[in-house]
Amino acid sequence: DIQLTQSPSFLSASVGDRVTITCRASQGISSYLAWYQQNPGKAPKLLISGASTLQSGVPSRFSGSGSGTEFTLTISSLQPEDFATYYCQQLNSNPYTFGQGTTLEIK
Amino acid sequence: QLQLQESGPGLVKPSETLSLTCTVSGGSISSTTYYWGWIRQPPGKGLEWIATIYYSGDTYYNPSLKSRVTISVDTSKSQFSLRLNSVTAADTAVYYCAKFVSSGWTDAFDIWGQGTMVTVSS
Repeated sequence: DIQLTQSPSFLSASVGDRVTITCRASQGISSYLAWYQQNPGKAPKLLISGASTLQSGVPSRFSGSGSGTEFTLTISSLQPEDFATYYCQQLNSNPYTFGQGTTLEIK
Repeated sequence: QLQLQESGPGLVKPSETLSLTCTVSGGSISSTTYYWGWIRQPPGKGLEWIATIYYSGDTYYNPSLKSRVTISVDTSKSQFSLRLNSVTAADTAVYYCAKFVSSGWTDAFDIWGQGTMVTVSS
């Protein structure tokens, strides 16, 4: 199985900050990577697919980059609604594994 | 707008079978560009992909669960289903159904149901 390791696991930040979350794959996955946002008690919401393709309706302050084994999710200016847990997922090979999650908390 | 809704028992006894159904509305379950899948999340933990199915019946399973899982589709009812045999407490989780869009490297689960909590307990 391909392991995905997100860093950091927890991140404290303030409204207006720029934050970056990293997702590292145990082997190359090309650009078969998606990012999801999950609020407590809610289903995950797709933010980015193909490592960098922003989903329709997702604010442009979110961006993704990377290929191969290292990927990043960047939020350029944190808004109150962005404090949530973020997961990466690889869709290169079965099983489609997720990272362990990064919880973004208000400082 | 396409929506998904999970349904099924919230409590299952150990060693029995967990059965869930996902009803698709606002769109066609027989679309040639979509797949349909199940993902679960134990309380306070991360996400685990379980299985995916195409409207034609082609199936894809997580090897760690394959021996116990069956995913099926009923296009006449716009539903797809999950069966998980021989459940234990480790199968306690929120179970999500989701639409999987496959279009090259932008594959992803783009629409999710709200999730249903299933507890395995006697």
